[in-house]
Amino acid sequence: DVKVTQSSRYLVKRTGEKVFLECVQDMDHENMFWYRQDPGLGLRLIYFSYDVKMKEKGDIPEGYSVSREKKERFSLILESASTNQTSMYLCASTKNRVNTGELFFGEGSRLTVL
Amino acid sequence: DQQVKQNSPSLSVQEGRISILNCDYTNSMFDYFLWYKKYPAEGPTFLISISSIKDKNEDGRFTVFLNKSAKHLSLHIVPSQPGDSAVYFCAARRNNRLAFGKGNQVVVIP
Repeated sequence: DVKVTQSSRYLVKRTGEKVFLECVQDMDHENMFWYRQDPGLGLRLIYFSYDVKMKEKGDIPEGYSVSREKKERFSLILESASTNQTSMYLCASTKNRVNTGELFFGEGSRLTVL
Repeated sequence: DQQVKQNSPSLSVQEGRISILNCDYTNSMFDYFLWYKKYPAEGPTFLISISSIKDKNEDGRFTVFLNKSAKHLSLHIVPSQPGDSAVYFCAARRNNRLAFGKGNQVVVIP
């Protein structure tokens, strides 16, 4: 079974802090994604990556950056956290670029910014 | 701009009856549609999908129907079970990117 592991389930940070959210998948998937989930808004794509050192902006990239130094690891970075970034963050992966869209999600990281 | 819309955010249904979830989309370029299920404090899990060239796909208790002319798809769960209580997200794919709806909360009453 594919396992997508997010390093922190719950985080509390202060406004202006730098925040790292880590995601690791163990099935040699090429594609990795970061979403945020907010009530009434569903899942929105922040950034994604099709390969190591490659990244593309999703629908709401402002205030975020990402890093993919190794194939199995995709990190989401909040350079200066703000209260409107309080959310549930979900990492996901799929095998390769030509896929059916079936994403494997991690359990999520709930971030609260005070 | 919400390209995938799920109205009626919550649904309550008696155990054993049918649950019907609806999803509308605006972009005719979507080529694949999926439903995901999400329990609290867990990530979404893939449930069922359908290609845009088909109008029905069935997997056990779950059936997805696609009406391309109406840009509408629906998920039928028959019979509903208490374990089906979750949030269901509709998703549509274009250029290998998924757009998600807001989700529907389903509560199955024993």
